[in-house]
Amino acid sequence: DAMVIQNPRYQVTQFGKPVTLSCSQTLNHNVMYWYQQKSSQAPKLLFHYYDKDFNNEADTPDNFQSRRPNTSFCFLDIRSPGLGDAAMYLCATGRSTDTQYFGPGTRLTVL
Amino acid sequence: GEDVEQSLFLSVREGDSSVINCTYTDSSSTYLYWYKQEPGAGLQLLTYIFSNMDMKQDQRLTVLLNKKDKHLSLRIADTQTGDSAIYFCAESRSNAGNMLTFGGGTRLMVKP
Repeated sequence: DAMVIQNPRYQVTQFGKPVTLSCSQTLNHNVMYWYQQKSSQAPKLLFHYYDKDFNNEADTPDNFQSRRPNTSFCFLDIRSPGLGDAAMYLCATGRSTDTQYFGPGTRLTVL
Repeated sequence: GEDVEQSLFLSVREGDSSVINCTYTDSSSTYLYWYKQEPGAGLQLLTYIFSNMDMKQDQRLTVLLNKKDKHLSLRIADTQTGDSAIYFCAESRSNAGNMLTFGGGTRLMVKP
Protein backbone atom coordinates (compact mmCIF):
# COMPACT_ATOMS: atom_id res chain seq x y z
CA ASP A 1 0.00 0.00 0.00
CA ALA A 2 1.53 3.26 -1.13
CA MET A 3 2.01 5.70 1.72
CA VAL A 4 3.57 8.64 -0.13
CA ILE A 5 2.09 9.05 -3.59
CA GLN A 6 3.37 11.34 -6.31
CA ASN A 7 1.54 12.21 -9.49
CA PRO A 8 2.34 12.11 -12.25
CA ARG A 9 5.38 9.82 -12.30
CA TYR A 10 6.58 11.43 -15.52
CA GLN A 11 5.83 14.99 -16.58
CA VAL A 12 6.84 16.70 -19.79
CA THR A 13 6.46 20.44 -20.12
CA GLN A 14 7.62 23.15 -22.45
CA PHE A 15 10.15 25.81 -21.63
CA GLY A 16 8.35 28.54 -19.69
CA LYS A 17 5.05 26.66 -19.34
CA PRO A 18 3.91 26.41 -15.70
CA VAL A 19 3.71 22.95 -14.24
CA THR A 20 2.37 21.51 -10.98
CA LEU A 21 3.54 18.32 -9.32
CA SER A 22 1.43 16.60 -6.71
CA CYS A 23 2.20 14.68 -3.53
CA SER A 24 -0.21 13.00 -1.15
CA GLN A 25 0.30 10.89 1.95
CA THR A 26 -1.72 8.46 4.03
CA LEU A 27 0.61 8.59 7.03
CA ASN A 28 -0.90 11.68 8.67
CA HIS A 29 2.60 13.14 9.03
CA ASN A 30 2.79 16.80 9.94
CA VAL A 31 5.91 17.58 7.91
CA MET A 32 6.14 17.41 4.11
CA TYR A 33 9.29 18.06 2.08
CA TRP A 34 10.11 18.71 -1.57
CA TYR A 35 13.51 17.76 -2.95
CA GLN A 36 15.08 18.22 -6.36
CA GLN A 37 17.45 15.49 -7.52
CA LYS A 38 19.56 15.80 -10.64
CA SER A 39 21.26 12.88 -12.26
CA SER A 40 23.84 11.09 -10.10
CA GLN A 41 23.49 13.66 -7.31
CA ALA A 42 22.07 13.65 -3.81
CA PRO A 43 18.59 15.10 -3.29
CA LYS A 44 18.57 18.83 -2.62
CA LEU A 45 15.93 20.21 -0.26
CA LEU A 46 13.82 22.97 -1.83
CA PHE A 47 11.40 23.65 1.02
CA HIS A 48 9.24 21.99 3.63
CA TYR A 49 5.99 22.49 5.47
CA TYR A 50 5.90 22.00 9.21
CA ASP A 51 2.15 21.73 9.66
CA LYS A 52 0.98 24.86 7.81
CA ASP A 53 4.23 26.74 8.24
CA PHE A 54 6.20 27.08 5.03
CA ASN A 55 10.00 26.96 5.24
CA ASN A 56 11.98 27.89 2.16
CA GLU A 57 15.64 26.97 1.73
CA ALA A 58 17.79 30.06 1.17
CA ASP A 59 18.99 28.99 -2.26
CA THR A 60 15.66 27.81 -3.67
CA PRO A 61 14.84 29.91 -6.76
CA ASP A 62 11.70 32.10 -6.70
CA ASN A 63 10.51 30.09 -9.70
CA PHE A 64 9.59 27.30 -7.27
CA GLN A 65 6.51 27.64 -5.10
CA SER A 66 4.55 25.25 -2.95
CA ARG A 67 1.06 24.86 -1.53
CA ARG A 68 -0.28 22.64 1.20
CA PRO A 69 -4.07 22.87 1.28
CA ASN A 70 -4.42 20.18 3.96
CA THR A 71 -2.38 17.61 5.91
CA SER A 72 -2.51 15.02 3.15
CA PHE A 73 -1.61 17.03 0.06
CA CYS A 74 1.30 19.18 -1.00
CA PHE A 75 1.98 20.71 -4.42
CA LEU A 76 5.11 21.94 -6.13
CA ASP A 77 4.53 24.70 -8.66
CA ILE A 78 7.23 25.66 -11.15
CA ARG A 79 6.13 28.97 -12.61
CA SER A 80 8.41 29.16 -15.63
CA PRO A 81 10.41 25.97 -16.08
CA GLY A 82 13.83 26.28 -17.63
CA LEU A 83 15.97 23.54 -19.13
CA GLY A 84 17.96 23.47 -15.90
CA ASP A 85 14.85 22.50 -13.94
CA ALA A 86 14.68 19.09 -15.58
CA ALA A 87 15.19 16.66 -12.70
CA MET A 88 13.55 14.12 -10.45
CA TYR A 89 11.35 15.78 -7.84
CA LEU A 90 10.94 13.85 -4.63
CA CYS A 91 8.34 14.38 -1.96
CA ALA A 92 8.93 13.11 1.57
CA THR A 93 6.95 13.13 4.78
CA GLY A 94 7.80 12.77 8.44
CA ARG A 95 6.69 13.44 11.98
CA SER A 96 8.35 16.36 13.69
CA THR A 97 11.55 14.68 14.77
CA ASP A 98 11.22 11.37 13.00
CA THR A 99 12.41 9.60 9.89
CA GLN A 100 11.55 10.89 6.42
CA TYR A 101 9.64 8.63 4.05
CA PHE A 102 9.97 9.29 0.35
CA GLY A 103 7.57 8.96 -2.52
CA PRO A 104 8.52 7.40 -5.88
CA GLY A 105 9.32 10.76 -7.44
CA THR A 106 8.18 12.64 -10.53
CA ARG A 107 10.65 12.92 -13.39
CA LEU A 108 10.27 16.28 -15.09
CA THR A 109 11.40 16.82 -18.67
CA VAL A 110 11.54 20.36 -20.07
CA LEU A 111 11.48 20.68 -23.85
CA GLY B 1 28.78 23.33 8.38
CA GLU B 2 27.85 19.72 8.11
CA ASP B 3 29.27 17.45 5.42
CA VAL B 4 28.63 13.81 4.55
CA GLU B 5 30.93 11.91 2.22
CA GLN B 6 30.78 8.54 0.51
CA SER B 7 32.83 6.74 -2.08
CA LEU B 8 31.25 6.86 -5.52
CA PHE B 9 31.29 3.26 -6.60
CA LEU B 10 31.49 -0.31 -5.30
CA SER B 11 31.47 -3.52 -7.30
CA VAL B 12 31.01 -6.98 -5.74
CA ARG B 13 30.17 -10.49 -6.88
CA GLU B 14 26.81 -12.04 -6.12
CA GLY B 15 26.96 -13.87 -2.79
CA ASP B 16 29.79 -11.76 -1.40
CA SER B 17 29.37 -9.17 1.35
CA SER B 18 29.24 -5.48 0.45
CA VAL B 19 30.46 -2.76 2.76
CA ILE B 20 29.50 0.83 1.97
CA ASN B 21 31.22 3.51 3.99
CA CYS B 22 30.23 7.02 4.99
CA THR B 23 31.93 9.76 6.97
CA TYR B 24 30.31 12.82 8.47
CA THR B 25 31.58 15.90 10.22
CA ASP B 26 28.79 17.02 12.53
CA SER B 27 29.28 15.57 15.99
CA SER B 28 25.75 16.63 16.98
CA SER B 29 24.14 14.21 14.54
CA THR B 30 21.20 12.50 16.18
CA TYR B 31 20.21 9.87 13.63
CA LEU B 32 22.10 8.36 10.73
CA TYR B 33 20.26 6.76 7.86
CA TRP B 34 20.81 4.53 4.88
CA TYR B 35 18.51 4.96 1.89
CA LYS B 36 18.47 2.84 -1.29
CA GLN B 37 17.55 4.27 -4.67
CA GLU B 38 16.93 2.05 -7.68
CA PRO B 39 16.99 3.56 -11.18
CA GLY B 40 14.10 5.93 -11.78
CA ALA B 41 12.67 5.42 -8.30
CA GLY B 42 12.41 7.32 -5.06
CA LEU B 43 14.46 6.75 -1.93
CA GLN B 44 13.66 3.67 0.11
CA LEU B 45 14.54 3.82 3.78
CA LEU B 46 16.68 0.76 4.54
CA THR B 47 17.67 1.32 8.12
CA TYR B 48 18.75 3.96 10.60
CA ILE B 49 20.74 4.12 13.79
CA PHE B 50 20.52 6.43 16.73
CA SER B 51 23.78 8.18 17.53
CA ASN B 52 24.19 6.50 20.92
CA MET B 53 24.25 3.04 19.34
CA ASP B 54 27.28 1.22 17.95
CA MET B 55 25.59 -1.40 15.83
CA LYS B 56 22.23 -2.34 14.43
CA GLN B 57 21.40 -5.53 12.56
CA ASP B 58 18.34 -6.17 10.43
CA GLN B 59 18.34 -9.42 8.45
CA ARG B 60 21.09 -9.08 5.83
CA LEU B 61 21.91 -5.52 6.83
CA THR B 62 24.38 -4.51 9.53
CA VAL B 63 25.04 -0.88 10.39
CA LEU B 64 28.17 0.03 12.33
CA LEU B 65 28.69 3.46 13.85
CA ASN B 66 32.02 4.74 15.12
CA LYS B 67 31.05 8.01 16.70
CA LYS B 68 34.61 8.90 17.67
CA ASP B 69 35.76 8.70 14.06
CA LYS B 70 32.38 9.89 12.67
CA HIS B 71 32.27 6.84 10.46
CA LEU B 72 29.18 4.89 9.44
CA SER B 73 29.09 1.69 7.41
CA LEU B 74 26.43 -0.50 5.87
CA ARG B 75 27.23 -4.16 5.39
CA ILE B 76 25.01 -6.23 3.11
CA ALA B 77 25.50 -9.96 3.58
CA ASP B 78 25.02 -12.39 0.69
CA THR B 79 24.66 -9.55 -1.82
CA GLN B 80 22.15 -10.22 -4.59
CA THR B 81 21.73 -8.66 -8.04
CA GLY B 82 18.59 -6.98 -6.72
CA ASP B 83 20.79 -5.04 -4.32
CA SER B 84 22.30 -3.12 -7.25
CA ALA B 85 21.33 0.51 -6.62
CA ILE B 86 22.63 3.81 -5.28
CA TYR B 87 22.94 3.92 -1.50
CA PHE B 88 22.72 7.27 0.26
CA CYS B 89 23.96 7.91 3.76
CA ALA B 90 22.24 10.79 5.57
CA GLU B 91 22.42 12.43 8.95
CA SER B 92 19.95 14.53 10.87
CA ARG B 93 20.08 16.62 14.00
CA SER B 94 17.20 17.02 16.42
CA ASN B 95 18.09 20.69 16.84
CA ALA B 96 17.70 21.23 13.09
CA GLY B 97 14.11 20.08 12.69
CA ASN B 98 15.12 16.67 11.34
CA MET B 99 16.60 18.17 8.19
CA LEU B 100 18.61 15.55 6.35
CA THR B 101 22.12 16.08 5.04
CA PHE B 102 22.86 13.52 2.35
CA GLY B 103 26.10 12.07 1.12
CA GLY B 104 26.67 11.96 -2.61
CA GLY B 105 25.61 8.32 -2.88
CA THR B 106 27.51 5.08 -3.58
CA ARG B 107 26.59 3.12 -6.67
CA LEU B 108 26.67 -0.61 -5.86
CA MET B 109 27.05 -2.95 -8.80
CA VAL B 110 26.52 -6.66 -8.17
CA LYS B 111 27.99 -9.00 -10.77
CA PRO B 112 26.38 -12.42 -11.28
